[in-house]
Formats: sequence, C-alpha cells, structure tokens
Amino acid sequence: DQQVKQNSPSLSVQEGRISILNCDYTNSMFDYFLWYKKYPAEGPTFLISISSIKDKNEDGRFTVFLNKSAKHLSLHIVPSQPGDSAVYFCAASLTGGFKTIFGAGTRLFVKA
Amino acid sequence: GAVVSQHPSRVICKSGTSVKIECRSLDFQATTMFWYRQFPKQSLMLMATSNEGSKATYEQGVEKDKFLINHASLTLSTLTVTSAHPEDSSFYICSARDKGGGLAGGFIYEQYFGPGTRLTVT
Repeated sequence: DQQVKQNSPSLSVQEGRISILNCDYTNSMFDYFLWYKKYPAEGPTFLISISSIKDKNEDGRFTVFLNKSAKHLSLHIVPSQPGDSAVYFCAASLTGGFKTIFGAGTRLFVKA
Repeated sequence: GAVVSQHPSRVICKSGTSVKIECRSLDFQATTMFWYRQFPKQSLMLMATSNEGSKATYEQGVEKDKFLINHASLTLSTLTVTSAHPEDSSFYICSARDKGGGLAGGFIYEQYFGPGTRLTVT
C-alpha cells in the first residue's frame, strides 16, 4: 500500500522555466512533509519541508505547496537550472512518528 | 551541520562472504538510524530501523539473519550483509534522525542521509 505517491516517474523542463513536481498521500494523519533531492550514486539531500499547519513554504527558488483537503503537495522550482536535474523524493511523516514514508521519486531533467 | 558518513563507499566481494557497512553521524547524536536499499531506477526501500542500544526493527520481507544491524553508540550503526549473493548487489543508504523544528506538543525529526555504499557481489 503506497501511502505516498509520485505518479510522474520523470519530467523534462527547459532551463529558466518552472518545474512542478507533484506528490499525493493517502494517510490524513501525516502532518509533516519533506522533499529530498538525489543525484546518482549519492544519498538523498534534504531540500525543503512543510508542516500541515502551513500551506506554503518558500526557500529561494524552491517552494512547496500543501493542499490538505486534496492530500496533495507540490514542489515548484523556478527558475529551473541544469544543476537541478536529479531525482526528487517526496516524503511524509507524523509528529513524533518513527518512520518517514517516501514516494517512488520523480526524475527531473532540466535542458539547457 | 548534520553530516552522515558511510564507509566504504564502494565494495566488491565474492559470493558467500560477509560485508560490513558503517554509518556515522559526525556532528550530532542519532538515537535512530535507518537503513535503505535502492535498486536501479527505483525508490528507497526501508530495510530496518535501528535504535541505539536495542534490537533493530526490520521491515516485512527483510531477512534479519542476513542483514545484521548493530547500533552500538549514538553515532554509529553498522549493517552486515552475511553470506552475500549476487542478488544482494545494490546501493545501500543509511540515514540518521536529528531532532529539529517543533510543533506544540511534539517534535519533528528530519533524516539526514549518508552518501551510500555500492555493493557488488560477484
């Protein structure tokens, strides 16, 4: 049972344009969401997070939006840069919870 | 801050031998560490959760006798792949949990990942 879903395995965007990566979750108890970025043969690195008391969190070129009623979150990258090309994992967890549940990842290609 | 190291980064071993992978939190104490496995072009698969001073909790389908986990201190967890076979070849990643943020009545824990270990069993 996939509690965190990233339905797009890949996304291709032109440099300078906006990249939008989507993530859906099924467990309404999740109250903390994270995005990780992963390059090949490296461990994931934390990118940005959002708690369920917010609907938006921004950090430089990266913005995460949370729609609790739709159980949906998205990561916006603008402007996209070739160095952003990587696999992006969406993750969800519970306050005080033990596990973080990861989605399957979306591979982003940013074309120069 | 929040750096996690893994050693070795790459290892090749013969079928039937055992391999130990170390995961260290360098600048924080991690009461909980996680071990993941990633197959090519697939997501991170949680293998087990390791708590300092107690037995690891394994996910369904993961053989605890094959993947031995020891969390001897607040900064070190080890994964030993025993009697390795070619199908154990994979990218193994550890992560450590740090206390951070905060909501009323609770704490949010973020995971910091190591760089991974590429295991090839011949």
